[in-house]
Amino acid sequence: GAGVSQTPSNKVTEKGKYVELRCDPISGHTALYWYRQSLGQGPEFLIYFQGTGAADDSGLPNDRFFAVRPEGSVSTLKIQRTERGDSAVYLCASSHGLAATDTQYFGPGTRLTVL
Amino acid sequence: DQQVKQNSPSLSVQEGRISILNCDYTNSMFDYFLWYKKYPAEGPTFLISISSIKDKNEDGRFTVFLNKSAKHLSLHIVPSQPGDSAVYFCAATDSNSGYALNFGKGTSLLVTP
Repeated sequence: GAGVSQTPSNKVTEKGKYVELRCDPISGHTALYWYRQSLGQGPEFLIYFQGTGAADDSGLPNDRFFAVRPEGSVSTLKIQRTERGDSAVYLCASSHGLAATDTQYFGPGTRLTVL
Repeated sequence: DQQVKQNSPSLSVQEGRISILNCDYTNSMFDYFLWYKKYPAEGPTFLISISSIKDKNEDGRFTVFLNKSAKHLSLHIVPSQPGDSAVYFCAATDSNSGYALNFGKGTSLLVTP
């Protein structure tokens, strides 16, 4: 079956602009996660959804970052007033359930470059 | 601060030999550990995991060992194959929180023919 898909695969924007990154999870997966991977680092947790609600957004770096999942499936990560430090690969993952043992399946990521 | 550490950025191994990738963690609340493998331009792919109630888990050529007292785990790949060349990430989580994975910086493995 289809895996996690993310669009766009690459996004180049200018400092100060607004961007939206989309994630389509695996069908039937209730949990959805966003991570950010900066150059030379491992993925860093941003936010987690259980259904439509953000269960934990403690990883969001500041209030310029916001994410939604209005129908419990597709999610959009929104970044306002982008800064050069936001440049990274943004990874989305989904899992069937909520347990730590439920494998998180990752998408290919969106590479965001802020000029 | 980095709660999961992979201190070897890279490792080169000959085909057919054993690859050993190491990982250390600092948070004693972590009780579930995973290894992910990542090829360029792809997302991380789950490889193998281990619960803190075990000290070893094996899946084919891949074995993960956990030493709780040392807060150390390792991934053994035997025999190594050129297709194993990738970046390997160690990750850990506290199952009471259940969801956020804490990743190391990764080790780039190169298996040479």
